[in-house]
Amino acid sequence: EAQVTQNPRYLITVTGKKLTVTCSQNMNHEYMSWYRQDPGLGLRQIYYSMNVEVTDKGDVPEGYKVSRKEKRNFPLILESPSPNQTSLYFCASSEQENQPQHFGDGTRLSIL
Amino acid sequence: AQTVTQSQPEMSVQEAETVTLSCTYDTSESDYYLFWYKQPPSRQMILVIRQEAYKQQNATENRFSVNFQKAAKSFSLKISDSQLGDAAMYFCAYGDAGNMLTFGGGTRLMVKP
Repeated sequence: EAQVTQNPRYLITVTGKKLTVTCSQNMNHEYMSWYRQDPGLGLRQIYYSMNVEVTDKGDVPEGYKVSRKEKRNFPLILESPSPNQTSLYFCASSEQENQPQHFGDGTRLSIL
Repeated sequence: AQTVTQSQPEMSVQEAETVTLSCTYDTSESDYYLFWYKQPPSRQMILVIRQEAYKQQNATENRFSVNFQKAAKSFSLKISDSQLGDAAMYFCAYGDAGNMLTFGGGTRLMVKP
């Protein structure tokens, strides 16, 4: 089954404790992206990647890191999480840019 | 940067009736793509419909259709014969070459039985 898998689905943690949200897709897609969703703001792009070892900042990259060492994986790293990063996070992938994106089920992060 | 505006935070429709959700966007590009995504309470993001800017014909997908007005930079979604399962957040999104998607703030659609 074609899918984008994010882990964990839920996480409650404390300020400053490094965390990683994993994202994996099994569709051999070139493009992958991370978004955060906040009420009234829709989804805002954090980082995206057009291929292995190629990543670019989106609209709200501050406080986040990503890597794309393999085509299927695109982890999101919060080196020193802060409460303003409490949000719902989505990973997505697509075959080419501007093709419909396949989304993961989301990760609810709470930073206390 | 491109912006996408959904001016209706909430909409309500009676079951079996028709509702239109509005979306406007700002861009200087001539070649781009527009999407509507649905997010039910399960929070999954589900593609509803896609429109290429170079196509004059409005996209349709069963009960869902769009009214794409390129000059006005407007991309509204019409849902016909509304069903209870249509209740969700709907997001309009814009994409062009070299960029991933820019989303609007969303419209919450309620369907009354």
